[in-house]
Amino acid sequence: EAQVTQNPRYLITVTGKKLTVTCSQNMNHEYMSWYRQDPGLGLRQIYYSMNVEVTDKGDVPEGYKVSRKEKRNFPLILESPSPNQTSLYFCASSLGQGAVSGRSRAEQYFGPGTRLTVT
Amino acid sequence: AQSVAQPEDQVNVAEGNPLTVKCTYSVSGNPYLFWYVQYPNRGLQFLLKYITGDNLVKGSYGFEAEFNKSQTSFHLKKPSALVSDSALYFCAVRFRSASKIIFGSGTRLSIRP
Repeated sequence: EAQVTQNPRYLITVTGKKLTVTCSQNMNHEYMSWYRQDPGLGLRQIYYSMNVEVTDKGDVPEGYKVSRKEKRNFPLILESPSPNQTSLYFCASSLGQGAVSGRSRAEQYFGPGTRLTVT
Repeated sequence: AQSVAQPEDQVNVAEGNPLTVKCTYSVSGNPYLFWYVQYPNRGLQFLLKYITGDNLVKGSYGFEAEFNKSQTSFHLKKPSALVSDSALYFCAVRFRSASKIIFGSGTRLSIRP
């Protein structure tokens, strides 16, 4: 089954304790992205990756790191979490930019979400 | 600043009536346009997209959306609402020349029986 998986689904941690949220996709997608969802703000892009070893900042990258060493994995790292990073996080993947033979490759597939609470 | 606006936080419709969820955007170029739906405690699911061509695009679950270039709008529509359509809907734009994606703030659609 084609899917994007995230772990953990729920996490409660304390300020300053480093954590990693994993994301994996089995669709051989080039593009992967992390978002945070906050009430009234919709989804805001944190980081994205066009392919292995290629990452770039989204709109809200401060306090986060990512890596893309393999095509299927795109972990989100919080080196020193703070309470303002309490949020619902989503990983997503899609084929790369552009169209092939009239078939667009631009829609994203989302993981189930990770609810993070930082106290 | 480039942005996507969903002017209504909530839309309430009676079952069987038509529904519209509004989306306007302010971005440079000709972006790809998308609608996603989020059911409670779930990730987002793709509904439909506009890439090029016909301004009226059809998607999943009987939804459609109309692209209007002059008004920079991409409103989501359905001729006859179902209670099961109740969910949170997001409009999004993806830039053709880059990989950045911007989402609107979301509209909660509530269909009453």
